[in-house]
Amino acid sequence: GNSVTQMEGPVTLSEEAFLTINCTYTATGYPSLFWYVQYPGEGLQLLLKATKADDKGSNKGFEATYRKETTSFHLEKGSVQVSDSAVYFCALTAEVRWIQGAQKLVFGQGTRLTINP
Amino acid sequence: DTGVSQDPRHKITKRGQNVTFRCDPISEHNRLYWYRQTLGQGPEFLTYFQNEAQLEKSRLLSDRFSAERPKGSFSTLEIQRTEQGDSAMYLCASSSGELYSIEVGTHGNKLFFGSGTQLSVL
Repeated sequence: GNSVTQMEGPVTLSEEAFLTINCTYTATGYPSLFWYVQYPGEGLQLLLKATKADDKGSNKGFEATYRKETTSFHLEKGSVQVSDSAVYFCALTAEVRWIQGAQKLVFGQGTRLTINP
Repeated sequence: DTGVSQDPRHKITKRGQNVTFRCDPISEHNRLYWYRQTLGQGPEFLTYFQNEAQLEKSRLLSDRFSAERPKGSFSTLEIQRTEQGDSAMYLCASSSGELYSIEVGTHGNKLFFGSGTQLSVL
């Protein structure tokens, strides 16, 4: 079946450090890949996405590249801020034509990130 | 606030009791989803509605669970005869189901999540 495996947390970094959160997936077909973020007390928010191999999703200084050969979608940011402290979820949907189908997202277990000033 | 709202935020109940949660999606969204998140895990898909029709249910949704969206607007999720294993965060999300957009930050088929209802079964 479809699954997502994330780097285990928690991850603690100092402000301005480089961030990588690893994500690998198993899926049939051609999944779309997502990173969601959950700030304390808030709902999940879409951070970025990529829908085909070699696509790069980016938003708010975060980036992730869809690597089909390694089945990975690692999240990176060059210089983190205290405000980036949150839980990050990697997810996929394997709907072939997800513009019409349901977004049955399969999530990883989440990685808690804490940034210290 | 025009986001997805869920009520209540927290619910504590005794084993064997029935509970009902409510979700109000973004008003123009025709798709509504329920997910469940247990501690230390990512959310798991439970079911989804297109307008008032419940189109898919996960095997996670046992016979004790029922979801409705009677007028294609708000939705309720009821759990009968609660068990301790039902303790989790229940998340609701909605989307427009309109044309796909590759731009993050525009609506398109993007899912918008509520803050969830935390259920504790004692």
